[in-house]
Amino acid sequence: GAGVSQSPRYKVAKRGQDVALRCDPISGHVSLFWYQQALGQGPEFLTYFQNEAQLDKSGLPSDRFFAERPEGSVSTLKIQRTQQEDSAVYLCASSLQGVITGELFFGEGSRLTVL
Amino acid sequence: GQQVMQIPQYQHVQEGEDFTTYCNSSTTLSNIQWYKQRPGGHPVFLIQLVKSGEVKKQKRLTFQFGEAKKNSSLHITATQTTDVGTYFCAARPQAAGNKLTFGGGTRVLVKP
Repeated sequence: GAGVSQSPRYKVAKRGQDVALRCDPISGHVSLFWYQQALGQGPEFLTYFQNEAQLDKSGLPSDRFFAERPEGSVSTLKIQRTQQEDSAVYLCASSLQGVITGELFFGEGSRLTVL
Repeated sequence: GQQVMQIPQYQHVQEGEDFTTYCNSSTTLSNIQWYKQRPGGHPVFLIQLVKSGEVKKQKRLTFQFGEAKKNSSLHITATQTTDVGTYFCAARPQAAGNKLTFGGGTRVLVKP
């Protein structure tokens, strides 16, 4: 597709369940970012990839959060043993450049609700 | 760590009026970007500012980067209902890799 694609768009999980969120960036984009956006807040940085290398994961809130981009294209954000405070929209963004990115292209997001 | 503050948090504007939203960083920036997020949508890129004191215009929107590269502003003239949404600045500190930190946003409501 022409844009960043995320799936699922909506996910309801019971507390303690594991979830996996997928991001398909724009073809050829080197950089890929994951952000967490709580209701009424700005996007909070989680992690950043340049190709398959995870260069910054300083924003991951706990060791329950794990992200990968094994072939430098599709990325998966995994949340283990979900908690209610994990409820948020998870946004994926990609950018053409590598070292210092320009414009970020965001996907529609995956809205996670933990009951 | 770096903090990015935006004021005001909310902006109620009469259609046709002007307003300005401000973005302030605790650290010197290599560049700053602005995004707009419509209700229920995702952030969409508006502009990137790189140089100290830089001013860029997009129709009714004027973006400015401070001389010290620690703050920025977005000024909208003759506000229209299509301007409704949340405006975020996103800051990239100097010597901090590629991490882009978003502010809390200014939520704009337009009264017709």
